[in-house]
Amino acid sequence: AQSVTQLDSQVPVFEEAPVELRCNYSSSVSVYLFWYVQYPNQGLQLLLKYLSGSTLVKGINGFEAEFNKSQTSFHLRKPSVHISDTAEYFCAVSDGGSNYKLTFGKGTLLTVNP
Amino acid sequence: DGGITQSPKYLFRKEGQNVTLSCEQNLNHDAMYWYRQDPGQGLRLIYYSQIVNDFQKGDIAEGYSVSREKKESFPLTVTSAQKNPTAFYLCASSIGSTVHGYTFGSGTRLTVV
Repeated sequence: AQSVTQLDSQVPVFEEAPVELRCNYSSSVSVYLFWYVQYPNQGLQLLLKYLSGSTLVKGINGFEAEFNKSQTSFHLRKPSVHISDTAEYFCAVSDGGSNYKLTFGKGTLLTVNP
Repeated sequence: DGGITQSPKYLFRKEGQNVTLSCEQNLNHDAMYWYRQDPGQGLRLIYYSQIVNDFQKGDIAEGYSVSREKKESFPLTVTSAQKNPTAFYLCASSIGSTVHGYTFGSGTRLTVV
């Protein structure tokens, strides 16, 4: 069975500072990895995904993530955050099998302060 | 534009009443999902369906029921047997495999009083 651990439930940062949201996964097979963002009272929106190939993945809104197979991690980064980045971020993993299911972490609330 | 429509956005019900949440998609996706979201607990899978007329229980199916009579529609009924129904409910769909991830609806916030 696969699982996802988001190491920080809350991350407060100041505007224009860099940020890293950490995600570790466990799976016995090759995985697909995803980061989603959720603004208050809305659904989840896909930020980026890793399927194969280059371990550095770029997404929307200036976010990027790096897949590290040896450390089973997929941390999300942004070099300079804006107030509008305040949201909850979810990491998710799939083994790409026939069960069609994603397993989500519990989320990290990013709060960007002026 | 294609997408997933969840309705209503806010729903209030009295304790002991069944309530049905609507989820419709025009993406021609085969698979559909229902998640429950509570603060600090992330997303928990209630039910999912890979094809019409077939669905499987997720991790927290007790007190919920679903149907999948049409490809576009996957309604969720929260029954009176669900002990803590107040939550934010999210519907999602996917093409088939998870290569493209899920597309989510905007959610329904259910409050039971």
